[in-house]
Amino acid sequence: GAGVSQSPSNKVTEKGKDVELRCDPISGHTALYWYRQRLGQGLEFLIYFQGNSAPDKSGLPSDRFSAERTGESVSTLTIQRTQQEDSAVYLCASSPRIRVYEQYFGPGTRLTVT
Amino acid sequence: KQEVTQIPAALSVPEGENLVLNCSFTDSAIYNLQWFRQDPGKGLTSLLLIQSSQREQTSGRLNASLDKSSGRSTLYIAASQPGDSATYLCAVSNDYKLSFGAGTTVTVRA
Repeated sequence: GAGVSQSPSNKVTEKGKDVELRCDPISGHTALYWYRQRLGQGLEFLIYFQGNSAPDKSGLPSDRFSAERTGESVSTLTIQRTQQEDSAVYLCASSPRIRVYEQYFGPGTRLTVT
Repeated sequence: KQEVTQIPAALSVPEGENLVLNCSFTDSAIYNLQWFRQDPGKGLTSLLLIQSSQREQTSGRLNASLDKSSGRSTLYIAASQPGDSATYLCAVSNDYKLSFGAGTTVTVRA
């Protein structure tokens, strides 16, 4: 079946602009995750959605970052007033409800803030 | 906070050599450890998952060991091939949160 998809694959934006990144999880996966990967660094956990439960937002680095998910479908990660330090690859993953460590990753969105 | 370290950061070997990649973590209270492969523009692919109660896992030419008490894991890739060139990431999990190392970038020269 289809894997996790993300769009756009690349995004270049000017400092101060808002951006929206989209993630389509694997059908039937109730859990969805966003990670950030800065150049030369490991992935940083940002946020976790599980079905209709309240999301775990503990990894969001500032209030400029927010994410939404409707039910068990598409998720959007929004970064407001982008800064140069937001430049990174943003990766989305999804997993089955009872095997939350079995995460399937999308190809990522490379964000460049100029 | 869990800290995951991978050594070396980069590795270049001639085809046919065996690869040894190291991962260490600071908090031994983990559920499992995974090794991922990352190719440019293609996201991450899980290679091996070792549950906290296990000592090792094998898949084809890949073998991963886990010593939870010392906070270490090693990924062995036998008889390397140019197609093994990629970045290899180690991740430990405590429930749904995966903590990743920065990775080891491997180049296998033909």
